[in-house]
Amino acid sequence: DAGVTQSPTHLIKTRGQHVTLRCSPISGHKSVSWYQQVLGQGPQFIFQYYEKEERGRGNFPDRFSARQFPNYSSELNVNALLLGDSALYLCASSLGGARVNTEAFFGQGTRLTVV
Amino acid sequence: GNSVTQMEGPVTLSEEAFLTINCTYTATGYPSLFWYVQYPGEGLQLLLKATKADDKGSNKGFEATYRKETTSFHLEKGSVQVSDSAVYFCALPPGAGSYQLTFGKGTKLSVIP
Repeated sequence: DAGVTQSPTHLIKTRGQHVTLRCSPISGHKSVSWYQQVLGQGPQFIFQYYEKEERGRGNFPDRFSARQFPNYSSELNVNALLLGDSALYLCASSLGGARVNTEAFFGQGTRLTVV
Repeated sequence: GNSVTQMEGPVTLSEEAFLTINCTYTATGYPSLFWYVQYPGEGLQLLLKATKADDKGSNKGFEATYRKETTSFHLEKGSVQVSDSAVYFCALPPGAGSYQLTFGKGTKLSVIP
């Protein structure tokens, strides 16, 4: 079975540009979460989507947005990129909604570099 | 809210040494507890988990026991290998009013031959 897949794996963008990152969850998983991991730090929560609705949002500016599609795949969009947005962006899928005590399965991540 | 306090590294061990990475948590009730591992250049993988008090999670020679009385979930391995070099994260699932995993800051382990 395929795990969580993310694309692209690496990306270089210029300040001020826009970026779209994509994630396909494990088959049967309806919940997708996005995390930002800056080098040397733990992952920081950005969004969670469940059944195509936003269920949670972390402490990130409005430049960050996301959506989930009917097939449960998801996109993370970041506008007006800043140098500080350079990070590994991780997508995680899980079976149920946020309050279910289940583990999350992570993709390999998208390494975004803003120059 | 939930919080995780994890021993910070970096930790450098010789091959076949004993490993302990401490993790304590604050949470309401008795949540599941997780250890994730991140190998260089990769995403996070679930290493092991425990779902209730006194449970022992184990995988790839690693073990961790859910200690309710000390709110701890320390990671141990009796004999580390070079291939165990990675960053290890202790984590809690979402708590009441939250939708995010709560991670410790991570412990970088380097194993030298």
